[in-house]
Amino acid sequence: EAQVTQNPRYLITVTGKKLTVTCSQNMNHEYMSWYRQDPGLGLRQIYYSMNVEVTDKGDVPEGYKVSRKEKRNFPLILESPSPNQTSLYFCASSPSGGVQRHGTQYFGPGTRLLVL
Amino acid sequence: GDSVTQMEGPVTLSEEAFLTINCTYTATGYPSLFWYVQYPGEGLQLLLKATKADDKGSNKGFEATYRKETTSFHLEKGSVQVSDSAVYFCASRGDAGNMLTFGGGTRLMVKP
Repeated sequence: EAQVTQNPRYLITVTGKKLTVTCSQNMNHEYMSWYRQDPGLGLRQIYYSMNVEVTDKGDVPEGYKVSRKEKRNFPLILESPSPNQTSLYFCASSPSGGVQRHGTQYFGPGTRLLVL
Repeated sequence: GDSVTQMEGPVTLSEEAFLTINCTYTATGYPSLFWYVQYPGEGLQLLLKATKADDKGSNKGFEATYRKETTSFHLEKGSVQVSDSAVYFCASRGDAGNMLTFGGGTRLMVKP
């Protein structure tokens, strides 16, 4: 089954404790991205990647890191989480050409993060 | 920068009622426009899209027409069902760049 998976689905942590949210897709997509969803603000893009070893900042990259060492994986790293990073996070992928060519994205189920 | 504005929810309707969710955008050039739907506990799914002015996107009984003169892309459905209860997001993609800009989302609740 074609899908985007994220782990963990739910996470509670404390301020300053490094964490990684994994994202994996099995569709051989070149384009992957991370969003955070907050009430009233919709989805805001954190980072995106056009291909392996190519990453770019989205609208709200501060406090986050990403890496793209393999096509299928695009982990989101919070080196020192803070309470304002409490949010619902979505990973998404898109075929070659990414959003510019296709516009459509395939979303994972989401990771709900609470930073105390 | 680009922005998308949606009507605030929640929108509460009875089954078989007519639905309109307003969406307006600001963008340079000629953006492509999308509606995504998020069912409870799930990620977003593309519902429909339109890539140029006057195009009409449609899917599952939902429709939206790209109106350049009013910079709008309102979502409509003639007869909603309980299963349509979800959060709906309007989004745009500009000519340049490789990012989708989302509106704040509108929660739809359909009662039997």
